[in-house]
Amino acid sequence: AQRVTQPEKLLSVFKGAPVELKCNYSYSGSPELFWYVQYSRQRLQLLLRHISRESIKGFTADLNKGETSFHLKKPFAQEEDSAMYYCALTGSSNTGKLIFGQGTTLQVKP
Amino acid sequence: KAGVTQTPRYLIKTRGQQVTLSCSPISGHRSVSWYQQTPGQGLQFLFEYFSETQRNKGNFPGRFSGRQFSNSRSEMNVSTLELGDSALYLCASSLVSGRNYEQYFGPGTRLTVT
Repeated sequence: AQRVTQPEKLLSVFKGAPVELKCNYSYSGSPELFWYVQYSRQRLQLLLRHISRESIKGFTADLNKGETSFHLKKPFAQEEDSAMYYCALTGSSNTGKLIFGQGTTLQVKP
Repeated sequence: KAGVTQTPRYLIKTRGQQVTLSCSPISGHRSVSWYQQTPGQGLQFLFEYFSETQRNKGNFPGRFSGRQFSNSRSEMNVSTLELGDSALYLCASSLVSGRNYEQYFGPGTRLTVT
C-alpha cells in the first residue's frame, strides 16, 4: 500500500532549538519525496523536494531508502517557521498524483 | 504571475444537490490536480487532468467527476451530495504532468453540505 506517515501531530520547540519533523513512507517502487508547508492563512506551497537536493529556508531533508524515511531538519528553529508541514510522495507512474501524510504542526516558541 | 484561482471560495449545499467547482491554473500550466482535505482523512487525491485528459484518478466514488477545457481551466462536479462531502477542495496546477514537477496550490473551495 502507498502510504506516508507523519507520526507527530504537533511538534513544539523553542526558538533556536533544532527541529526534526519525521516522515516515513511505504511504497513499492521508487517514489519522489516532497515537503509542503502551509503558513497561517496562506496556501499550501512546496518547501523542498528530494530531487533538487537543495536547502530552503535552512531546512534540509535526507532520503533514507533503507528506513524509508524523509525527515525534515533545521538546526536552529525560527518563530517564522511555525506552520503546518506535509510530507508527500509521487509514485513511479510519472503523474502528478501526490500522496500526503497527515501533517505536523510545528510551533516555535519565543 | 497570477496564482491558481478557485471559485467559489465558499459554498453551502443541501444533501442530494450537486455542485460544480472551478479552478483556473497559472498561465502556461497544463496540468491540474484536485484534492479533498478533511480533518479526518487529510489531503486525498481526487484526479489529475492534463491536456483535457484525465491522467489519474483517486479512490473516490463515481459521484466525483471532473473535466478540463482547452484553456487548461478545470471543473470538478459532485453529484448527489452527502454530508461527508463537506471538505476543503484544493486544486493545484503544474507546468506539465509528471512526478517531479512542482504543484502550485489554490486557496481552496470550502464546501459545506447540510
